[in-house]
Amino acid sequence: AQTVTQSQPEMSVQEAETVTLSCTYDTSESDYYLFWYKQPPSRQMILVIRQEAYKQQNATENRFSVNFQKAAKSFSLKISDSQLGDAAMYFCAYRRGGATNKLIFGTGTLLAVQP
Amino acid sequence: DTGVSQDPRHKITKRGQNVTFRCDPISEHNRLYWYRQTLGQGPEFLTYFQNEAQLEKSRLLSDRFSAERPKGSFSTLEIQRTEQGDSAMYLCASSPEDGVYGYTFGSGTRLTVV
Repeated sequence: AQTVTQSQPEMSVQEAETVTLSCTYDTSESDYYLFWYKQPPSRQMILVIRQEAYKQQNATENRFSVNFQKAAKSFSLKISDSQLGDAAMYFCAYRRGGATNKLIFGTGTLLAVQP
Repeated sequence: DTGVSQDPRHKITKRGQNVTFRCDPISEHNRLYWYRQTLGQGPEFLTYFQNEAQLEKSRLLSDRFSAERPKGSFSTLEIQRTEQGDSAMYLCASSPEDGVYGYTFGSGTRLTVV
């Protein structure tokens, strides 16, 4: 069975600084997708960034980028120029390729941004 | 379309009562998912529908849980004879059929069983 592990329950960053959130996953599949979701306090979960396993190039979305290491099964999220609004719970998620598209989530990392 | 809507936002019920939650997905999305999230944990998959067909159910979904999506539009999740362990946030999400671009989540229904 596929699993997703986030080993950092909490992280803290100063405003305008850079922070990296870690995620590792376990799968025997070669075709899959990886996602980072942000869940602000008492608000809905929103998609931050996604990565297709067959693409070697790391995905970027404005201040958010990933470091995808397929052989190491690692998928970290880098947030540059951190803003107060980045404070939230961040979840890493895995989706196997093919017809099924159930997402499997990690346990999350709570990010605090200090002014 | 205003996204995925869930109702109610909060529900407090006594142990042993039945509760029903509703989810209205994005109208163009034919897949709808239910997840459960407990404090300090990531969302756990419960079940999903493609149109009106329920394609997969998690082992977490005991016999007390039932979900429906009549006519492939809104969905309901019913929990019968609630237990304190059912207290959690119940999240609904929807996606186009392939879902490779991720889901759109609703704000969730927080259930407290007392």
